[in-house]
Amino acid sequence: QVQLQESGPGLVRPSQTLSLSCTVSGGSMTGGGDYWSWIRQPPGKGLEWIGYIYNTGSVYYNSSLDSQVSMSVDTSKNLFSLKLASVTAADTALYYCARGTTSLKGWPIDSWGQGILVTVSS
Amino acid sequence: DIQMTQSPSSLSASVGDRVTITCRTSQNIDNYLNWYQQKPGQAPKLLIHGASNLQSGVPSRFSGSGSGTDFTLTISSLQPEDFATYYCQQSYTRLAFGGGTKVEI
Repeated sequence: QVQLQESGPGLVRPSQTLSLSCTVSGGSMTGGGDYWSWIRQPPGKGLEWIGYIYNTGSVYYNSSLDSQVSMSVDTSKNLFSLKLASVTAADTALYYCARGTTSLKGWPIDSWGQGILVTVSS
Repeated sequence: DIQMTQSPSSLSASVGDRVTITCRTSQNIDNYLNWYQQKPGQAPKLLIHGASNLQSGVPSRFSGSGSGTDFTLTISSLQPEDFATYYCQQSYTRLAFGGGTKVEI
């Protein structure tokens, strides 16, 4: 059973870059058919997909965040990363990393990290 | 981008009730529709994938139906542990989530 763990600073200053990593354990990132995603949830609100990346490095971003977001993957270290530039208070949220799979119909997300709260404040 | 419209945004129900939540997409997504349950302080949990396939370990009182643009999640007999927020999600083009439905007592 794959497990995911987010890490990174819990506080980021406005206009700075938010950087998070997700370490994957209990499985390999090199298997075909899996995609590695970042999802966020502002306090008291719903889920917002940020983007996902395949082990090949192909990335797909939410068009509303496209100018701010970059993602990378390091399969040798079993981790993938998120950078969100020029953050504002609106980027304050619980950030989840997650695994999606094309092995199930509907290509769902079947594993989630516990989430990391990132607050944007001066 | 595909828009997701989930309804209702909240509902009140009692133990034993039959509950139905709907999700409509702005364009045809075939069966690339998934349902999740989220309880306070927890990450979402996959319930239904591919519109109608029950995820392993999920009780059979949960079921999903639909195809194209209109989808439904049904809980046949609401249990105390089912009070939570439910989200639909499409994987047809990139990803997107519905706004959520909070099921309250």
